[in-house]
Amino acid sequence: EDQVTQSPEALRLQEGESSSLNCSYTVSGLRGLFWYRQDPGKGPEFLFTLYSAGEEKEKERLKATLTKKESFLHITAPKPEDSATYLCAVPPRDQGGKLIFGQGTELSVKP
Amino acid sequence: DAGVTQSPTHLIKTRGQQVTLRCSPKSGHDTVSWYQQALGQGPQFIFQYYEEEERQRGNFPDRFSGHQFPNYSSELNVNALLLGDSALYLCASSSGQYSNQPQHFGDGTRLSIL
Repeated sequence: EDQVTQSPEALRLQEGESSSLNCSYTVSGLRGLFWYRQDPGKGPEFLFTLYSAGEEKEKERLKATLTKKESFLHITAPKPEDSATYLCAVPPRDQGGKLIFGQGTELSVKP
Repeated sequence: DAGVTQSPTHLIKTRGQQVTLRCSPKSGHDTVSWYQQALGQGPQFIFQYYEEEERQRGNFPDRFSGHQFPNYSSELNVNALLLGDSALYLCASSSGQYSNQPQHFGDGTRLSIL
């Protein structure tokens, strides 16, 4: 069964304390992996798409990487404004535009 | 360039009632997907509309139905509301039914069932 699992469920960091979020997936024939950021009361905001193992994408303090079984979202020297829930999602093989989401990692960065 | 817009933002209904939620896709997008997000969970796929037809459906009962209009906007209808239908309903748009391009989300409709 296609599945996406994110860890940890919640992460508390001090401002400037770097860390990583994990997204493990079991989907054959990966057609892409998407990272989103979601603020309370808002819809998910697109961050990155990764298509193949070894690919990396960067945006400000965030860097996403992809292997054949998991993806990491690295946060370097985070700031309080990076506090949000981070979601990853994959489209299952041969199922059109459906996305399977993980349950998310709630990140809190304290000053 | 307007992104995905949804209305209403909040809605309160009672059990057994019916509700209609609306979505306008991002400019240039022709595909609309609907998701249900319970508190503390990731979004769950309900269905996708492309060329005014339902193309794919998740594990949701027939009480959930939808429509897509010629201008690509979409509606989600839920009949015989249950307490468990309380959630954030998200609309996402993209270009093409099988595109590997990212889906862009609206801010959702918060539905509360009393």
